[in-house]
Amino acid sequence: AQTVTQSQPEMSVQEAETVTLSCTYDTSESDYYLFWYKQPPSRQMILVIRQEAYKQQNATENRFSVNFQKAAKSFSLKISDSQLGDAAMYFCACRGTSYGKLTFGQGTILTVHP
Amino acid sequence: EAGVTQSPTHLIKTRGQQATLRCSPISGHTSVYWYQQALGLGLQFLLWYDEGEERNRGNFPPRFSGRQFPNYSSELNVNALELEDSALYLCASRSRGRNTIYFGEGSWLTVV
Repeated sequence: AQTVTQSQPEMSVQEAETVTLSCTYDTSESDYYLFWYKQPPSRQMILVIRQEAYKQQNATENRFSVNFQKAAKSFSLKISDSQLGDAAMYFCACRGTSYGKLTFGQGTILTVHP
Repeated sequence: EAGVTQSPTHLIKTRGQQATLRCSPISGHTSVYWYQQALGLGLQFLLWYDEGEERNRGNFPPRFSGRQFPNYSSELNVNALELEDSALYLCASRSRGRNTIYFGEGSWLTVV
């Protein structure tokens, strides 16, 4: 079984500044993957970044990076140089290789102020 | 390369009727997932199909059902519609041996 918890229902950031979204998870699987998805008002789920649990190195995709703390089961997303287009709902998700499905957190609404 | 495509974009049905939603995965993807996203709620896992077989099912009543066809496309059927079935239904697909799941744009179902 898997659970994913996002404790920040809403966050806001000034354009060009940095913001960190928090996520904790729990899984009974030893091999799993973690993801951050972005859902803008169009409602399409867009993959932002992924992390393989067996990799110690934190994943980075341009302005997006993660802080993966495996022992603490923490997986936060850092957005640098925030842009107006980053405004969206952000979901943290976990997928175990044997369990198959993606389990999502409750989501964090990110507002970017100009 | 086309992404995950879903149809219809919007569907309005009357309570008690049946709704059918369709999904075409990314070419080469063999797994299809269905999620429900109701207003104010998160994403709830509905069904997972892989190679034509149902592999996992979420905590939904039996009136939610589906299937996966030989070309890996899928349909979701919701029978005896209830008002609370109104939601965005998201389909996603994954390639065999890969771990990233990609989503379509969703189908809005409104039950009146």
